[in-house]
Amino acid sequence: DADVTQTPRNRITKTGKRIMLECSQTKGHDRMYWYRQDPGLGLRLIYYSFDVKDINKGEISDGYSVSRQAQAKFSLSLESAIPNQTALYFCATSDGLGARETQYFGPGTRLLVL
Amino acid sequence: AQKITQTQPGMFVQEKEAVTLDCTYDTSDQSYGLFWYKQPSSGEMIFLIYQGSYDEQNATEGRYSLNFQKARKSANLVISASQLGDSAMYFCAMRTSGGADGLTFGKGTHLIIQP
Repeated sequence: DADVTQTPRNRITKTGKRIMLECSQTKGHDRMYWYRQDPGLGLRLIYYSFDVKDINKGEISDGYSVSRQAQAKFSLSLESAIPNQTALYFCATSDGLGARETQYFGPGTRLLVL
Repeated sequence: AQKITQTQPGMFVQEKEAVTLDCTYDTSDQSYGLFWYKQPSSGEMIFLIYQGSYDEQNATEGRYSLNFQKARKSANLVISASQLGDSAMYFCAMRTSGGADGLTFGKGTHLIIQP
């Protein structure tokens, strides 16, 4: 079984709809991240969480919210989806070893907003 | 601010040849880590190799090695004896010890291995 799972893997929605992307991990890591990837670009950080009570905004948090329901679960919500939020979304976890920490990514969720 | 630059949008290489993917970085922090990830057409991000700023030796992981030149702020990925399955996007990324906000990624290099 995969260590980091994301659901759904693909999603099509309409402008204005609220949607939630879910991430679960079995690696036992405290740190979890949400990134988005647009064509021709690298990944950009949306939100990150160092534990259940710690949520932080990343580079591009506008239009998104997150919930850390448990150590193993971190959800990303789009309150009112818009077409420019069409992207590939990744969840990641890390072992928190400072600059040395390695992030492990889920398989990604492809989101299309019409 | 941290920045990663990958100057090769795409590369074509013959199978079995060695490949060097370029990466330069910019940071004022003394402690940082450099990472390479592979993204095949299926989309997942696969961790390949890590280099710490204080590591004295270049990192190696199987056919992957990292040519780390600290003074030049470069961290090039070298793939030896390339294979068709190496065709993918490759991303260089950095994290600093003082940076609490995840990894900073470059825009990637699309590598195509030709038979």
